[in-house]
Amino acid sequence: VQLVESGGGLVKPGGSLRLSCAASGFTFTTYTMNWVRQAPGKGLEWVSSISSTSTYIYYAGSVKGRFTISRDNAKNSLYLQMNSLRGEDTAVYYCARDGTAIPSNWFDPWGQGTLVTVSS
Amino acid sequence: DIQMTQSPSTLSASVGDRVTITCRASQSISSWLAWYQQKPGKAPKVLIYKASSLERGVPSRFSGSGSGTEFSLTISSLQPDDFATYHCQQYISYPWTFGQGTKVEI
Repeated sequence: VQLVESGGGLVKPGGSLRLSCAASGFTFTTYTMNWVRQAPGKGLEWVSSISSTSTYIYYAGSVKGRFTISRDNAKNSLYLQMNSLRGEDTAVYYCARDGTAIPSNWFDPWGQGTLVTVSS
Repeated sequence: DIQMTQSPSTLSASVGDRVTITCRASQSISSWLAWYQQKPGKAPKVLIYKASSLERGVPSRFSGSGSGTEFSLTISSLQPDDFATYHCQQYISYPWTFGQGTKVEI
């Protein structure tokens, strides 16, 4: 099982960025997928979840209206479109799979993370 | 939102010690709690789910207990590989929330 994030980088406040997560080694189409972030030196913060068929989507209040989660089951890929970025969005963003195919709401495994830095 | 509070924030211990980390929820979460281990520069890894279920491949020196609002993670005999930061997470209701983390150091 492997999750590989990409798309992080330096962006100015108000800018946009799209993160991707490539999944392999499991049946991607049967799992809820998630984004979790960690600001430098801080704890973990859940960002968003999307069910296996994209029927159910949830966001943290801090990103609702600015971030959009999506998935392409044909490409075994998860995405996070981030708009109107703020300094407080600076973090390592992890892609994480639900622990079981029946939605578990705990996360395993996680990708290696991609760093997003929002700064002028 | 459900607030998760871990104690202590930092714990100093030695190899062979028995170590207990506590996680308190601001309201009852039944047994919907997971514990993760995170090493510097690495992604978290799940240790325990549903408060006391050990994930496959996790050493048996790790155990979890509790229900309602009070939970604990115990390492029965601390090993060199266990020096890390531990996080709890509730998953009874959105938004899923984590504790602030407990760093176990030498």
